Amino acid sequence: DIVMTQSPDLLAVSLGERATINCRSSQSVLSTANNMNYLAWYQQKAGQPPKLLIYWASSRESGVPDRFRGGGSGTDFTLTINGLQAEDVAVYYCQQYQTSPQTFGQGTKLEIK
Amino acid sequence: EVQLMESGGGVVQPGGSLRLSCAASGFTFSRFSFNWVRQAPGKGLEWISYISTDGRNKDYAVSVKGRFTISRDNARTSLSLQMNSLRDEDTAVYYCARDRGSGDLHIYPYDRWGQGTLVAVSS
Repeated sequence: DIVMTQSPDLLAVSLGERATINCRSSQSVLSTANNMNYLAWYQQKAGQPPKLLIYWASSRESGVPDRFRGGGSGTDFTLTINGLQAEDVAVYYCQQYQTSPQTFGQGTKLEIK
Repeated sequence: EVQLMESGGGVVQPGGSLRLSCAASGFTFSRFSFNWVRQAPGKGLEWISYISTDGRNKDYAVSVKGRFTISRDNARTSLSLQMNSLRDEDTAVYYCARDRGSGDLHIYPYDRWGQGTLVAVSS
């Protein structure tokens, strides 16, 4: 199985500042066939189901604010939230969907400092 | 509006069985593959099962293989998860989740999720 490891586990950032969450996969999720990274990011607010934010490592899902940005390739990825807003408080998960079982990181809890 | 609504959760004794359902609406159900994902209390997300558009291709996590069975009814636009031989560690909120892409390759993230249904395995 591909193991997804996120850092940090807990992140506290001031309103209006930038939050950066890291995700590392135990093996590359970059496909040599199509040069795409099979990496997604989800946001889960308290008491709600996860919401897809980013797919193919850097493509923003429809309706997701452009302050959310995904980057990275191969085994190392980042989710950056610019201009943090109170509504961004949530747990964020990365997921690889290249290989079954499709695995998630352990989650990063984002709080307001 | 795309909607997925799970039902069937509850309290069950170890070794017991439960059948979860997911009713879909607001889109062409038969064009999409689906998954079940669970989340133990206070824990992260765990994919447990996948089914292709026509139901022919199925996949399971090792943790549930041989005990859980996924199925779908395209005519009724519903997804099911039959859970047998339940264990304490199966206690979780169970979500149905739609593959973002259409087709039968299990290579997509999940773009729509239900609200989840809680399964509690306890004696």
